[in-house]
Amino acid sequence: KAGVTQTPRYLIKTRGQQVTLSCSPISGHRSVSWYQQTPGQGLQFLFEYFSETQRNKGNFPGRFSGRQFSNSRSEMNVSTLELGDSALYLCASSPDRASYSPLHFGNGTRLTVT
Amino acid sequence: AQKVTQAQTEISVVEKEDVTLDCVYETRDTTYYLFWYKQPPSGELVFLIRRNSFDEQNEISGRYSWNFQKSTSSFNFTITASQVVDSAVYFCALSEPGANSKLTFGKGITLSVRP
Repeated sequence: KAGVTQTPRYLIKTRGQQVTLSCSPISGHRSVSWYQQTPGQGLQFLFEYFSETQRNKGNFPGRFSGRQFSNSRSEMNVSTLELGDSALYLCASSPDRASYSPLHFGNGTRLTVT
Repeated sequence: AQKVTQAQTEISVVEKEDVTLDCVYETRDTTYYLFWYKQPPSGELVFLIRRNSFDEQNEISGRYSWNFQKSTSSFNFTITASQVVDSAVYFCALSEPGANSKLTFGKGITLSVRP
């Protein structure tokens, strides 16, 4: 079974631009969660999508948004990029809600904002 | 509000030593889940274990064991006879199931096992 796939692996963007990250979950998994990982803040929850609906959102500004498609694939968008958005963005999928299911993580997308 | 504290930030041991990684959590709910994840140098987080709040039984899986104590709000992880391949960042996490549930991670513990 293929694992969670995140594309692209690396991104370099300029402040003010926007970016879209993609996540393909494990086949059959209905939940996709996104996390931001930085050395200072650690792993911070961004949002969870389950059956195409956003179920919960972390404490991030509205510049961070996402969506989930009918095939469970998910995208995350960050608009008006700031230097502080530089981070590793991790996607995780699970068969059921992320709050009680083991998560399967992708390798992440490393975003650098200059 | 839920919170996970991993007070140890970095631990260094010599191969074959036993090591315990501490995790202390805070929650107001009586129903919750606790997790441990491992992040090796390659970067991909790997699930290790899940425990629900009603199951205080300790668990052993090979060289890994977990001690869950509700009385002290702790869920500690012990690696017996550590190996170089155990070198990684280990995260403890907590969730409170519900409509707005989310998984909260601790800051992680960097474990270095020297040969």
